[in-house]
Amino acid sequence: GNSVTQMEGPVTLSEEAFLTINCTYTATGYPSLFWYVQYPGEGLQLLLKATKADDKGSNKGFEATYRKETTSFHLEKGSVQVSDSAVYFCALSDRITGNQFYFGTGTSLTVIP
Amino acid sequence: SAVISQKPSRDICQRGTSLTIQCQVDSQVTMMFWYRQQPGQSLTLIATANQGSEATYESGFVIDKFPISRPNLTFSTLTVSNMSPEDSSIYLCSVQGSAYEQYFGPGTRLTVT
Repeated sequence: GNSVTQMEGPVTLSEEAFLTINCTYTATGYPSLFWYVQYPGEGLQLLLKATKADDKGSNKGFEATYRKETTSFHLEKGSVQVSDSAVYFCALSDRITGNQFYFGTGTSLTVIP
Repeated sequence: SAVISQKPSRDICQRGTSLTIQCQVDSQVTMMFWYRQQPGQSLTLIATANQGSEATYESGFVIDKFPISRPNLTFSTLTVSNMSPEDSSIYLCSVQGSAYEQYFGPGTRLTVT
């Protein structure tokens, strides 16, 4: 079946630190992979996506590379800011199962000045 | 990307009552989705709503408790019926984009007392 396993939180970093949030997946078909961000009191926003192996998604300084060999899609940012404090969700969509979304459990990030 | 609005943004309701949540999209879409996000948790898919057909419910969710309407390609409603405190959650609607991503509304924050 399809599933997403995400790094447990919460994560607390100092401003300008390097961020990695781990995400691994299992899929029966050919998934597309996503990172979503949820700021306090808001809905989910699509942060970045990758639709095939070796694709790199990037947005707002965040990056993630679709690694089929390790079934991973880790989120990285070189220098976090206080405004990056949010909950981050890894997700996959599998065309074989009708594009249903599978979400990870979410990782809460707090960046302190 | 699609722009999605939800009404109400939040509500406090008495147990035993019902609340209808509206979801409006700025473009015509085939599939709309309704999710529940319990406090501090990830998203759980309630049902998929296609225009012109009955909604498809996920395991653990039933039409009598969560009736859904989909009268046209830009609008859907979710009703939470006979509410109990366990229904206190954020309810989100979403639509599928052209590259298998999903775009989410801002959510409806429901508290049942």
